[in-house]
Amino acid sequence: QITLKESGPTLVKPTQTLTLTCTFSGFSLSTSGVGVGWIRQPPGKALEWLTLIYWDDDKRYSPSLKSRLTITKDTSKNQVVLTMTNMDPVDTATYYCAHFLTAAGCTWFDYWGQGTLVTVSS
Amino acid sequence: SYELTQPPSVSVSPGQTASITCSGDKLGNKYACWYQQKPGQSPVLVIYQDNKRPSGIPERFSGSNSGNTATLTISGTQAMDEADYYCQAWDSSTSVVFGGGTKLTVL
Repeated sequence: QITLKESGPTLVKPTQTLTLTCTFSGFSLSTSGVGVGWIRQPPGKALEWLTLIYWDDDKRYSPSLKSRLTITKDTSKNQVVLTMTNMDPVDTATYYCAHFLTAAGCTWFDYWGQGTLVTVSS
Repeated sequence: SYELTQPPSVSVSPGQTASITCSGDKLGNKYACWYQQKPGQSPVLVIYQDNKRPSGIPERFSGSNSGNTATLTISGTQAMDEADYYCQAWDSSTSVVFGGGTKLTVL
């Protein structure tokens, strides 16, 4: 059974750096075709993809946020860490991590964490 | 950058067929997938690789993708299907792209 859980601060101040950890179980991030991504959702708004990391440590970033994002993995700890710099109130959102599969030019998120609401306010 | 466009809302009567569209440039040349999200819950994958259903997803959910439009079809819509639905695709330049979401109302 695959599970994922996000953890980190619920409140950050403007200009601060956000660090979120996704701790997962039920799969290995060293298995070919597997990865973990981060997606966020501002209150009442749509899903927005942020970044993902593959089993082979390849990484992809949203073009609009690339300069502010870093994703890393610790396979031994079953964790993926998201760092987002220079936080702004518009970054207030629920942040999800999700397990994804990739095959034949397709990538889909089949297991999602419960999400964590991060509020950016002074 | 690549964009996916969905209608903001779709309404359907119980027992009828609901169709939710997702439009993007030459989307039919890519794979589309669909997620269902109910209030206060995490998204759930309902269709991947255009028309495949994950284990546990009812057969009334189906998908298609051709030309510039992918479509999620819910046959015999039930009250429990009322939710927000998001399409998603992979683009070589943008990587993962989500549509803006469609609120399905079962009247």
